[in-house]
Amino acid sequence: GIQVEQSPPDLILQEGANSTLRCNFSDSVNNLQWFHQNPWGQLINLFYIPSGTKQNGRLSATTVATERYSLLYISSSQTTDSGVYFCAVPHSGAGSYQLTFGKGTKLSVIP
Amino acid sequence: EPEVTQTPSHQVTQMGQEVILRCVPISNHLYFYWYRQILGQKVEFLVSFYNNEISEKSEIFDDQFSVERPDGSNFTLKIRSTKLEDSAMYFCASSGPGQGQPQHFGDGTRLSIL
Repeated sequence: GIQVEQSPPDLILQEGANSTLRCNFSDSVNNLQWFHQNPWGQLINLFYIPSGTKQNGRLSATTVATERYSLLYISSSQTTDSGVYFCAVPHSGAGSYQLTFGKGTKLSVIP
Repeated sequence: EPEVTQTPSHQVTQMGQEVILRCVPISNHLYFYWYRQILGQKVEFLVSFYNNEISEKSEIFDDQFSVERPDGSNFTLKIRSTKLEDSAMYFCASSGPGQGQPQHFGDGTRLSIL
């Protein structure tokens, strides 16, 4: 099946700093999702981004499908950004929609 | 914005007991999923459901698991005889109405097996 690698595994930021999280995947995909898991365990949809760039407030994401990676940018980080960020892609195989998740990047934003 | 809702938020059960986790997907979605996340680990796929039948399942989804859409709105996951290693957060997700649409996740049910 498809492999998803995220880096870095852990990241500590001072409030107000910017960061870039990376997601590499081993096979071509036709969609990719970024999630934020907050400290209460909820999975929040951030982006559905099979290719190109999208922005939502202080967050933006870019997927370069031909090179099999996606980046999540967080600007002017806030303590509420803390949590784990996952990327997920569909499993390899025609007609398969199950998502394969990476192990996540644990972000801690300190005041 | 429509949401996927899951109940209960937390379930504590004795080992060997049956549990049913409930989900109400987004109303116009046609594809339904269950995932689980053992504490501190990544989210893993269990099963997908479309047109009233299982379309895919993982190795985790063995004979003790079953899914059902008993009516037009609910989607359930049953674990027949729970084991300690079933302790995890279980997420329901839905997508649609077309193929390959983003999956929307519920807030999860934290299952604790004693």
